[in-house]
Amino acid sequence: EVQLLESGGGFVQTGESLTLSCAASGFTFVSYAMNWVRQDPVKGLQWVAAVSGSGSRAYYADSVKGRFTISRDNSKKTLYLQMNNLRAEDTAIYYCAKDQFDYGDSVSFSPWGQGTLVTVSS
Amino acid sequence: SYELTQPPSESVSPGQTATITCSGDALPNQFLYWYQQKPGQAPVIVMSRDTERPSGIPERFSGSTSGTTGTLTITGVQAEDEADYYCQSADNTGTYPVVFGGGTKLTVL
Repeated sequence: EVQLLESGGGFVQTGESLTLSCAASGFTFVSYAMNWVRQDPVKGLQWVAAVSGSGSRAYYADSVKGRFTISRDNSKKTLYLQMNNLRAEDTAIYYCAKDQFDYGDSVSFSPWGQGTLVTVSS
Repeated sequence: SYELTQPPSESVSPGQTATITCSGDALPNQFLYWYQQKPGQAPVIVMSRDTERPSGIPERFSGSTSGTTGTLTITGVQAEDEADYYCQSADNTGTYPVVFGGGTKLTVL
């Protein structure tokens, strides 16, 4: 069974940093791109970032580009999201999500972890 | 930036058919995906690549697209189908950025 377990969320002040982790199991981790998707009550679901299976390519939403860094350690089967210069609008539940397919150009997410809450206070 | 538009809410009686739409200019060129999210839970994919139902998803769920509109249809709605439904795709520039619709709250009366 595929399992994704996020950790690292918490309460921080504006401008501070936080690193999220996602421990994966139950599938060949290196074969799949991985993603972070966040959700807040106002803006709904928002894709944040993706990283290729090898870790050599990363993609970001414009709203986090230059502040967030996605990475992975395939030996530890763990995905990371380093978040710097956090803003109040980054407050959300952050989900780790596996690419549904290990091929093709289109991206979809399955499964998702249970999420970790990040609260940024000004 | 690219947007996918969904109605905020739909209501249906048990046993009836629910249709949830998603509109986006790039849908003729990009696959559309649908997720179901129940309160306190993570989203679960219920429709893939416009019309493909993932393993474990009941047959009452089906998907279709026509031009710039995609539709998720639930035939014979059950109480357990009450949830938020989100569509997801990408714009015409490529795979990223990934875009989600605003979500549709399906209420089973």
